[in-house]
Amino acid sequence: AQTVTQSQPEMSVQEAETVTLSCTYDTSENNYYLFWYKQPPSRQMILVIRQEAYKQQNATENRFSVNFQKAAKSFSLKISDSQLGDTAMYFCAFIPSRENTDKLIFGTGTRLQVFP
Amino acid sequence: NAGVMQNPRHLVRRRGQEARLRCSPMKGHSHVYWYRQLPEEGLKFMVYLQKENIIDESGMPKERFSAEFPKEGPSILRIQQVVRGDSAAYFCASSPLRVGNSPLHFGNGTRLTVT
Repeated sequence: AQTVTQSQPEMSVQEAETVTLSCTYDTSENNYYLFWYKQPPSRQMILVIRQEAYKQQNATENRFSVNFQKAAKSFSLKISDSQLGDTAMYFCAFIPSRENTDKLIFGTGTRLQVFP
Repeated sequence: NAGVMQNPRHLVRRRGQEARLRCSPMKGHSHVYWYRQLPEEGLKFMVYLQKENIIDESGMPKERFSAEFPKEGPSILRIQQVVRGDSAAYFCASSPLRVGNSPLHFGNGTRLTVT
């Protein structure tokens, strides 16, 4: 079965500090796509960052970067210079590229609280 | 370009009533996905539609749930004879292409409460 595991239900970090959210997944596919989504209290799902499994270089988007370890099936998210607006639920998700229907498989999420 | 629009934002239904959730995808997007989020859980795939076609409904409960995406108008997720266990946030997402090649844009969700 293809699954996504986020082992940290809650995390907290002080403003301006760095925090890393962990994510592991299980798949027998060789090609797939990985995502991190942010869900603030407004409930909107916002794409934070996206990684293609065949690309070795880790994706970065401003203060957000990933550590993609394909052999270990690990896809952690690092948030640098944390801001109060980063407070949200963060979901890791992936799509096996062989799938024709592009079903995103989500983890259960990590609730991140940024303190002033 | 307006984002994915879902309405209503909140919906309250009594047990046994019908719930209709609407989703207008972003302009130019022909792929629509519905996901359900139970409290304290991640999103679970329900159904994937293209215009006038259901492509994958493997995540839909076999009874009481149906979805459509007509040629004209929004996509509709319909839940008949709702039960308390249907209480959840229902998200719609759209994309112009297969989502692996383009980001999936989500709406703000409809929170369904069954009393």
